[in-house]
Amino acid sequence: GNSVTQMEGPVTLSEEAFLTINCTYTATGYPSLFWYVQYPGEGLQLLLKATKADDKGSNKGFEATYRKETTSFHLEKGSVQVSDSAVYFCALRDAGGTSYGKLTFGQGTILTVHP
Amino acid sequence: EAGVTQSPTHLIKTRGQQATLRCSPISGHTSVYWYQQALGLGLQFLLWYDEGEERNRGNFPPRFSGRQFPNYSSELNVNALELEDSALYLCASSHETQYFGPGTRLLVL
Repeated sequence: GNSVTQMEGPVTLSEEAFLTINCTYTATGYPSLFWYVQYPGEGLQLLLKATKADDKGSNKGFEATYRKETTSFHLEKGSVQVSDSAVYFCALRDAGGTSYGKLTFGQGTILTVHP
Repeated sequence: EAGVTQSPTHLIKTRGQQATLRCSPISGHTSVYWYQQALGLGLQFLLWYDEGEERNRGNFPPRFSGRQFPNYSSELNVNALELEDSALYLCASSHETQYFGPGTRLLVL
């Protein structure tokens, strides 16, 4: 079945540091890939997405590139801010089969950014 | 444009009771998804409704059920509540990409 593996956290950075959160996946088809962010006490917000190989999703300074050859979708940001402190989830949505429609999530990575 | 809304925000029940959670999708979205976020277990897919029909179901017992109404809003019902049902229940609506509501936090005592 489908699965998503994220780099284990928590990740603690100083403001303006470079961020990478690794994400790799296993899927039977050609999935769409997503990063969602969850701020304390809130639901999930879509951060960015990519629907096919070599697509780059970007939003609010965050970027991730869909790498089919390495089955990865690593999240990066060049300079983090305190306000980026949250839990980040990598997810995939399969294109068909019995997993069609649903999102499969990684376990989440807690990011804390200190001033 | 209004986002996905869920009610109630918090719900406290005792073991054996039933819980009903509600979700209103983004206008124009016909698909509604339900997920459970239990502490330490991550996000697990529960149910998917589209055009009033159940399209897919996650690995949960039958006491988790739901329905979708003609206006595309949805209810999630959990019967015979158990302590481990305590979780944040998230609803998402979709045209292609899933957009999530703020969740209902269910506590079973």
